[in-house]
Amino acid sequence: DAGVIQSPRHEVTEMGQEVTLRCKPISGHDYLFWYRQTMMRGLELLIYFNNNVPIDDSGMPEDRFSAKMPNASFSTLKIQPSEPRDSAVYFCASSSTDKNTEAFFGQGTRLTVV
Amino acid sequence: QKEVEQNSGPLSVPEGAIASLNCTYSDRGSQSFFWYRQYSGKSPELIMSIYSNGDKEDGRFTAQLNKASQYVSLLIRDSQPSDSATYLCAVNEGTNAGKSTFGDGTTLTVKP
Repeated sequence: DAGVIQSPRHEVTEMGQEVTLRCKPISGHDYLFWYRQTMMRGLELLIYFNNNVPIDDSGMPEDRFSAKMPNASFSTLKIQPSEPRDSAVYFCASSSTDKNTEAFFGQGTRLTVV
Repeated sequence: QKEVEQNSGPLSVPEGAIASLNCTYSDRGSQSFFWYRQYSGKSPELIMSIYSNGDKEDGRFTAQLNKASQYVSLLIRDSQPSDSATYLCAVNEGTNAGKSTFGDGTTLTVKP
C-alpha cells in the first residue's frame, strides 16, 4: 500500500482565499483523522471520521474550517477564508480498528497564508 | 491538566547511552499506547506499540507500560545520532479505540 497520501505538499495562499487540503487514507482503514501541528500548540486533532461519518469536530478552531469524507478513499479539509494564523502543517492519518488502532500519517501539507 | 503528558525536554544524551522518555496519561480506561518518532520536517512514524503491562522490546527500543500508575515509557539503548528526533507518546481512549491523544513530545538529541 502507498500509505496515506496528502496533497498538496506545500500551499502558499493569500489571506482571504479558500484552501482545500486533500487526503487519501490507507485502503481498508475505517478511521481518518485531520491534525494540525505548530511549534506553539504541538499536534492538535481537528476532526476525525469513522466509516466516513464525522465523529468529533470539537477540535476545529472556527467555522472557517470544514471537513468532508464523501467516501472511504477521500477526505478534504477546507479553510474559507484563510488567515495568517492558519499557517501550520496539516496531517491526515488513518487507522483500522482491526489492526491494533495505530495511526499512519501522511506526509503533511505545509500551509502558509500570507 | 493535559490528558497525555510527556517529560519536558529537550533531552540530550551521548552516543551509546540509554535515553529514557516518559509519559503519563489521565484516562484509566485507555487500552492502547504508542510511541511515534518525528524527524524535523517529517511526519510522525510509529516505532512502538504496547497494550499490556510490562515491557516490550524491539531491537534497541523497549516500551514499558504500568496501567496502575498510568505511565508508559520508552527506552532507547545504545543511542545513535540518527535517533535525534521528537518522540510523541499517544494514548487511545478506552471508549473510542480509534482516537489517539498525543503528548507534546520530547525532543531528543544524541551527541556523537
